[in-house]
Amino acid sequence: EIVLTQSPDTLSLSPGERATLSCRASQTVTSNYLAWYQLKPGQAPRLLVYAASTGASGVTAKFSGGGSGTDFTLTINSLEPEDVAVYYCQQYARSPRTFGQGTKVEIK
Amino acid sequence: QVQLVQSGADVKKPGSSVKVSCTASGGTFSTDTISWVRQAPGQRLEWVGRIMPMPGPTKFVYNYAQKFQGRVSITADKSTKTVYLELSSLRSEDTAVYYCARDFGLCSNSNCAMDYWGQGSLVIVSS
Repeated sequence: EIVLTQSPDTLSLSPGERATLSCRASQTVTSNYLAWYQLKPGQAPRLLVYAASTGASGVTAKFSGGGSGTDFTLTINSLEPEDVAVYYCQQYARSPRTFGQGTKVEIK
Repeated sequence: QVQLVQSGADVKKPGSSVKVSCTASGGTFSTDTISWVRQAPGQRLEWVGRIMPMPGPTKFVYNYAQKFQGRVSITADKSTKTVYLELSSLRSEDTAVYYCARDFGLCSNSNCAMDYWGQGSLVIVSS
């Protein structure tokens, strides 16, 4: 199966700063079938990006995805307190669909 | 707007079974594929399986993660727009939050992104 490794484990930034999250795959993620999700405690997970760089419906442009092959990024522009969450990448190119271990984003 | 509402928390004994429900509204249940994903404490999210409706009132196609084969059953009732996840032979490692989610967009075989998620159902397995 494809193993996804996210870095860093925790990202602590000041309000207004840009957050760059990384997701590295153990094998090529064909067709860039990679998604990013936001999880807040007690809430339903939220799809942010799919196909590596396409923003999901209703998601603000402050969240943007990039990358291809085995290396992908999620960028969060102008960090706000409401962005505090754990972010997960997920590949859906090969069975089984798998997730990264998550990056926790905190506000300083 | 699709909404997926799940059943509440449950506590089960090791060796028993649990059945979690997920009721949909706002979407096209007759054509929406629903997956189940779980997250054990301190662990990453893990896909469990999915159910894809076919034409006809009771026809479905199922896909399960190999890890859960033989222990998991996903069923659905089109009349109530409810999907069920049943996991048997429970052990402590099955303690997790279980989410239902709608498969979305272009998929690779049975692998998809998921756009709408339920709020999660906590299942605790403890003697």
